[in-house]
Amino acid sequence: AQTVTQSQPEMSVQEAETVTLSCTYDTSESNYYLFWYKQPPSRQMILVIRQEAYKQQNATENRFSVNFQKAAKSFSLKISDSQLGDTAMYFCAFISTGGGADGLTFGKGTHLIIQP
Amino acid sequence: GAVVSQHPSRVICKSGTSVKIECRSLDFQATTMFWYRQFPKQSLMLMATSNEGSKATYEQGVEKDKFLINHASLTLSTLTVTSAHPEDSSFYICSAQTSGGAVRGDTQYFGPGTRLTVL
Repeated sequence: AQTVTQSQPEMSVQEAETVTLSCTYDTSESNYYLFWYKQPPSRQMILVIRQEAYKQQNATENRFSVNFQKAAKSFSLKISDSQLGDTAMYFCAFISTGGGADGLTFGKGTHLIIQP
Repeated sequence: GAVVSQHPSRVICKSGTSVKIECRSLDFQATTMFWYRQFPKQSLMLMATSNEGSKATYEQGVEKDKFLINHASLTLSTLTVTSAHPEDSSFYICSAQTSGGAVRGDTQYFGPGTRLTVL
């Protein structure tokens, strides 16, 4: 079974600053996908970014980028030029690519607060 | 695109009654849907995987006779909480996956969730 660990329960930064959320995972699989999801107060889960484990290049989506270190099983999310609307819970998630369709395994989440 | 709806968004029921929650993919066909449960200030926990036309696969510790899942079409999955009790009060979230299963790592699109309160 795989596990996902987010060691920062809460983080707070000033608007326009850069912030990095950490995530580590444990798996014996070699092929998998990693995701960062955002859950604002509305509780709607929103996909932020997705990384395929077989790709060495780190995924980027506008102000969001990841630092994927496969050997270290680390998958951190960097948010540049943070905005007030980035305030939310952020969940790191893992899914294996083997064995058919599987649900996501989530970390416990990091509550990110962007201060004006 | 890739919109998933859930109905109802909020439901309050008496202990011992059954509650049905619908999950619909509005603009795509979902071969697989997932049901998650989220307690306050906690993460999402997978309850079951639902494939169209076949029986759902439940995670360990989830009572399949209590949480009935039906995936009758490629756009609709339902979760029925039978004989609900206060400890079943939670936020239930569904997600839908377009095609190909996890082999292709298809993104899961989430519904807005249903808050269930059992009195």
